[in-house]
Amino acid sequence: DIQMTQSPSTLSASVGDRVTITCRASQSISRWLAWYQQKPGKAPNLLLYRASSLESGVPSRFSGSGSGTEFTLTISSLQPDDFATYYCQQYNDYPYTFGQGTKLEIK
Amino acid sequence: QVQLVQSGSELKKPGASVKVSCKASGYTFTTYNLDWVRQAPGQGLEWMGWINTHNGNPTYAQGLTGRFVFSLDTSVNTAYLEISSLRAEDTAIYYCARNIGEKCSGSSCRFGYYFHIDVWGKGTTVTVSS
Repeated sequence: DIQMTQSPSTLSASVGDRVTITCRASQSISRWLAWYQQKPGKAPNLLLYRASSLESGVPSRFSGSGSGTEFTLTISSLQPDDFATYYCQQYNDYPYTFGQGTKLEIK
Repeated sequence: QVQLVQSGSELKKPGASVKVSCKASGYTFTTYNLDWVRQAPGQGLEWMGWINTHNGNPTYAQGLTGRFVFSLDTSVNTAYLEISSLRAEDTAIYYCARNIGEKCSGSSCRFGYYFHIDVWGKGTTVTVSS
């Protein structure tokens, strides 16, 4: 199975900050990576797919980059609504696997 | 709009069975396949597998035992997850999620399409406790 490792596990930041979350794959997944945001008590919500394609309706402050084994999710200017947990998921090969999550907290 | 409406919370005793439903609306059911994902309390997301809504063929994540069965009733646009011989460790939120294909062109593509989740159900909480 492809292992996905996110860092950091927890990130404290303030409104207006620029933040970056990293996701590393144990083997190359080309660009077949999605990012999801999950708020407490809610289902995840798709932010980006194919590493850098922004899902319709998602604010442009979210961006993604990377290919192969290393990927990043960047939020350019944190808004109060962005404090949540973020997951990456590879869909290059079965079983599709998620990272363990990064909890973004208010500093 | 596209919706996946899941059945309500379940409280079951160890050894019992449960059947979670996921009713799709707002799109042609057999055009998109469905994934199942679970989340144990306080934990991350675990992909369980998917079901081909065109032919009903399920694919399970390795390690998912025969206690888990994905099925469909296309006449009512509904997918099901049935779990038998429930154990305490099956306590989790179970999500159904629609997946959408992206075409891959070129010699580097292992597959013609790659599928990511674009729409999630709200989840069904299954609690197993004596």
